[in-house]
Amino acid sequence: VQLVESGGDLVKPGGSLRLSCAASGLTFRNVWMSWVRQAPGKGLEWVGRIKSNTDGGTTDYAAPVKGRFTISRDDSINTLYLQTNSLKTEDTAVYYCTAEDVNMAAEMASYWGQGTLVTVSS
Amino acid sequence: NFMLTQPHSVSESPGKTVTISCTRSSGGLASNYVQWYQQRPGSSPSTVIYEDYQRPSGVPDRFSGSIDSSSNSASLTISGLKTEDEAHYYCQSYDSGNWVFGGGTKLTVL
Repeated sequence: VQLVESGGDLVKPGGSLRLSCAASGLTFRNVWMSWVRQAPGKGLEWVGRIKSNTDGGTTDYAAPVKGRFTISRDDSINTLYLQTNSLKTEDTAVYYCTAEDVNMAAEMASYWGQGTLVTVSS
Repeated sequence: NFMLTQPHSVSESPGKTVTISCTRSSGGLASNYVQWYQQRPGSSPSTVIYEDYQRPSGVPDRFSGSIDSSSNSASLTISGLKTEDEAHYYCQSYDSGNWVFGGGTKLTVL
C-alpha cells in the first residue's frame, strides 16, 4: 500500500488549499480514509474521515475544522482530497493521509502517507 | 468527546521493561478498541498494537498491549528495550465516528 500526499504550501491566514492523496496497492473504493495532522513539535490530531461510497460516503470532522475543511474522494482515480478553507495559523501542520484496513474491526490508521506540510503565515 | 491521557515521557535502560499508560477520561475504554502507534523522528507513525493487544506482522513480540477496565486505561509494554525503540508512542481510540489520539509519550532508552 502506498499513500502519497501533495498540495502542501505556504498560505496566508484566511486562505485556502486543497490537499490530495494518491492511493495504490489497495482496493480504494472499499476503504475508509482519514486525514491526521501534526503541528510542529506536537502530537497527532485527527482531522476527519470519509467512509467508502458503498458505506454511504459520509464524512465526520474534528471540532476545530468542522465547517472549514471538506473531505472528498474520487474512486475513479484512487484519490482522496482535503479542501481547507478559512485557514488559521493554528492549522499549520504536516497533514497525513491514512487508510483503514477492511479486515480490521477497529477504526484506525492501518496505512500512513509521508505527509505534506501546510504552513499558514502572513 | 473523551480524552486519552498519556505520560509526557518515560525513560529506561536497554534490556529493561517499560509500560506506557493511556487513560480514557469518560466512557468505557473497553467499548472501542485501542491502538498504539510508534513515531520515530522524521518518520510517519506506524502501528505497533491494534485492537487492544494485537500485533501487526513484523512487530516483535517484545511489544504487548493490554486493557484494564477498572482504571479505564490501556497499556503498552515493551520488554527487552533496544535503542531502536526510542520514539514517540501514541494511543488512539474512537467513538461515534470521531477518533481521539493521546498526547503522546516520548520514550528514551538510555
